[in-house]
Amino acid sequence: EAGVVQSPRYKIIEKKQPVAFWCNPISGHNTLYWYRQNLGQGPELLIRYENEEAVDDSQLPKDRFSAERLKGVDSTLKIQPAELGDSAVYLCASSLGQERSGSYEQYFGPGTRLTVT
Amino acid sequence: GQNIDQPTEMTATEGAIVQINCTYQTSGFNGLFWYQQHAGEAPTFLSYNVLDGLEEKGRFSSFLSRSKGYSYLLLKELQMKDSASYLCAVRPSRGSTLGRLYFGRGTQLTVWP
Repeated sequence: EAGVVQSPRYKIIEKKQPVAFWCNPISGHNTLYWYRQNLGQGPELLIRYENEEAVDDSQLPKDRFSAERLKGVDSTLKIQPAELGDSAVYLCASSLGQERSGSYEQYFGPGTRLTVT
Repeated sequence: GQNIDQPTEMTATEGAIVQINCTYQTSGFNGLFWYQQHAGEAPTFLSYNVLDGLEEKGRFSSFLSRSKGYSYLLLKELQMKDSASYLCAVRPSRGSTLGRLYFGRGTQLTVWP
């Protein structure tokens, strides 16, 4: 079974440029997450989708970040314009069920390491 | 807010036993997860606790005390490949954060030969 796929794996851009990340979750997983992980820190949730609905996006800086999950499968996360502080690893994860209860573990993709110069 | 605390670094030798502690203060409690993350790689699931007590899975065990807001991950018969960051994550049960996982900053474990 294929895991969570993300691309690109690495991205270097200059500040004020736009950037987009793509995620393909595990087949059949309804719930999709985008996290940001700074060096030496744990992942922080940016947005969570259940099917195509964003059910938790309170941590997403909406002035520059946007996300979509068309047809409830693949998802893209965009930053426009990027700032120096956006340098981090952006992780996508998926899980089978709703995360309100149960041991629905999240399966993480390899992440995109973004460097903003 | 939510607060999850774990030590930043730990070291141990091959074959030894190590215990990684995690304390938390969250808006209610609805489960605690442990993940392993090797450098430059994705976190991978290790264990899940929602009731008090010990859950054992091979060389790894996880313990939970809800009244104390405390968990630990126990790694036995340490191997070099166990060198990684170990992340504690808690799921609150109340408020607008329902369903969200909050991660600690991770404990970097180094296993020496």
